[in-house]
Amino acid sequence: GAGVSQSPSNKVTEKGKDVELRCDPISGHTALYWYRQSLGQGLEFLIYFQGNSAPDKSGLPSDRFSAERTGGSVSTLTIQRTQQEDSAVYLCASSFTGSGYTFGSGTRLTVV
Amino acid sequence: EDQVTQSPEALRLQEGESSSLNCSYTVSGLRGLFWYRQDPGKGPEFLFTLYSAGEEKEKERLKATLTKKESFLHITAPKPEDSATYLCAVLLSSGTYKYIFGTGTRLKVLA
Repeated sequence: GAGVSQSPSNKVTEKGKDVELRCDPISGHTALYWYRQSLGQGLEFLIYFQGNSAPDKSGLPSDRFSAERTGGSVSTLTIQRTQQEDSAVYLCASSFTGSGYTFGSGTRLTVV
Repeated sequence: EDQVTQSPEALRLQEGESSSLNCSYTVSGLRGLFWYRQDPGKGPEFLFTLYSAGEEKEKERLKATLTKKESFLHITAPKPEDSATYLCAVLLSSGTYKYIFGTGTRLKVLA
């Protein structure tokens, strides 16, 4: 597609439930990133996929967070047993390696 | 520790009042510095990439410059539609291709 597509745009979930966030990157972009943006905070790196290489998971805040990228395209970020501190905007971006990102509009996650 | 700091946190300008936003960085090695614009409820939008000290890039009323320790985003004769949060990010020269973002400058241009 023309841009990075994320779904859902908004998600309200109860504490303790699992959620899945989806990212559909720009076709042909080899790199895919997940970031988290909390109110008043900078973008926090979560995970990075590059081609067929092992992902860089160094930013995942706990083992409740996981992500996969299937067929070098669509990615899913899964948060298990959600907590209130997980509430944030989750942003996905894709790029050619080393160039500027194209971001999606994000998924606003609210844990109640 | 690699760090990116942006100042000021917030800036209010009158339409036509030129100013500059600052992004200072302390990193082990710089592969590139990136500027983004973010509107409320949207993801950041890529503006510029700078790779070496002395480099400049321009787009409409915006000009980005880079030194060995900081980058400036100069806004000339801003208009209300330039109101947004401006983010800078650095790409390190070692390790994987992940970016370190500053916390941004919230710019409000008054008509």
